[in-house]
Amino acid sequence: ETGVTQTPRHLVMGMTNKKSLKCEQHLGHNAMYWYKQSAKKPLELMFVYSLEERVENNSVPSRFSPECPNSSHLFLHLHTLQPEDSALYLCASSQDILGIYGYTFGSGTRLTVV
Amino acid sequence: QKEVEQNSGPLSVPEGAIASLNCTYSDRGSQSFFWYRQYSGKSPELIMFIYSNGDKEDGRFTAQLNKASQYVSLLIRDSQPSDSATYLCAVGSTNAGKSTFGDGTTLTVKP
Repeated sequence: ETGVTQTPRHLVMGMTNKKSLKCEQHLGHNAMYWYKQSAKKPLELMFVYSLEERVENNSVPSRFSPECPNSSHLFLHLHTLQPEDSALYLCASSQDILGIYGYTFGSGTRLTVV
Repeated sequence: QKEVEQNSGPLSVPEGAIASLNCTYSDRGSQSFFWYRQYSGKSPELIMFIYSNGDKEDGRFTAQLNKASQYVSLLIRDSQPSDSATYLCAVGSTNAGKSTFGDGTTLTVKP
């Protein structure tokens, strides 16, 4: 495996379900990110982790709960979501928290909340 | 005012022409600037980054930065149909670990 891997690629869940998105990076990067991409809107930063420590929580509702057990893995735990949470969720990594060389994105998880 | 603004698009150019994509930003202290390409149904892919005023060339792509005017652009020479995609401008914040993205400009290159 190379780059940034996200699973699952597609997810349909009911509003009362609990699910988790997984991200794994094989690049030796020290920072990882969750972004949300909705139709007709720019990418929205959700969470930033540097060396497993959360450094940014961009006013995200508590129904989204991130977890970073080590510098290679990042999870996004979902519960009691709303239909407006349907979007493409992108994981990204960068060499360090400064991100001066840009991000490498995973393929994303297309989430549909019904 | 949006933090990062791009041409509203969509932009259509004939094959072989130069495509010009523009981006302005509001944070005067921004230090790093990126262009990502996103094909339909795919995730963004970094194609260029630039830090200093002036031009930076990589193959058919040239990024231009003017910090005084808070303006960054991407030129694609000899445009090909495979360049058809949405191009995202991103600006590295003065707060580490946060890039702010524009809405994107959709480019179509017609054969």
